[in-house]
Amino acid sequence: QSALTQPASVSGSPGQSITISCTGTSSDIGGYNYVSWYQQHPGNAPKLIIYEVSNRPSGVSNRFSGSKSGNTASLTISGLQAEDDADYYCSSYTRTSTSVAFGGGTKLTVL
Amino acid sequence: EVQLVESGGGLVKPGGSLRLSCAASGFTFSGYSMNWVRQAPGKGLEWVSSISTSSSFIYYADSVKGRFTISRDNAKNSLYLQMNSLRAEDTAVYYCARDHNWNYAIYAMDVWGQGTTVTVSS
Repeated sequence: QSALTQPASVSGSPGQSITISCTGTSSDIGGYNYVSWYQQHPGNAPKLIIYEVSNRPSGVSNRFSGSKSGNTASLTISGLQAEDDADYYCSSYTRTSTSVAFGGGTKLTVL
Repeated sequence: EVQLVESGGGLVKPGGSLRLSCAASGFTFSGYSMNWVRQAPGKGLEWVSSISTSSSFIYYADSVKGRFTISRDNAKNSLYLQMNSLRAEDTAVYYCARDHNWNYAIYAMDVWGQGTTVTVSS
């Protein structure tokens, strides 16, 4: 059972926008701006796409954006492309155990 | 090229031990906090442990506390994970991962290795 809650799956058609939510508590997402998002294709290592809630690392498409409201963080992918078909994980610092908590992951299917 | 390469995985019996290594190259290893993250077959990511730049701050997931030990050798640009009293539920791909920020952690991992597989089975 993951500390952060994500929907198991979302889907969208090419060109559309989708949003993936990540719900925690005031001990993690709600209390800190250390929310990150990762993309993982099958057989590959995760790739950092968002850090500190809404920042994109160099080289990451601006189609990816992050936000936070209260205890819930969100990842929005606009202009869906076939290559976005992957698993997405959120993470946050948590003071509960002075560590990092991951969400259970969301499978994005591009129809 | 910034790179992390893990090694040391393998098949081990329950109760056994393994030592994972992670060799860093292409960046100033001593300036970054480092992490171990694992992924059980068909499952999600699970943070395992982290260590600060000078090893002053070390943290573990409850699931491995008391059994695993993280360490680093900045002179050798290497990260380690000593795993003792291994259980079937420790079976996973183990990744080493670098924190994105220089000097102090922001809990975002921007460089990952390819992973090394640990299988605990009799």
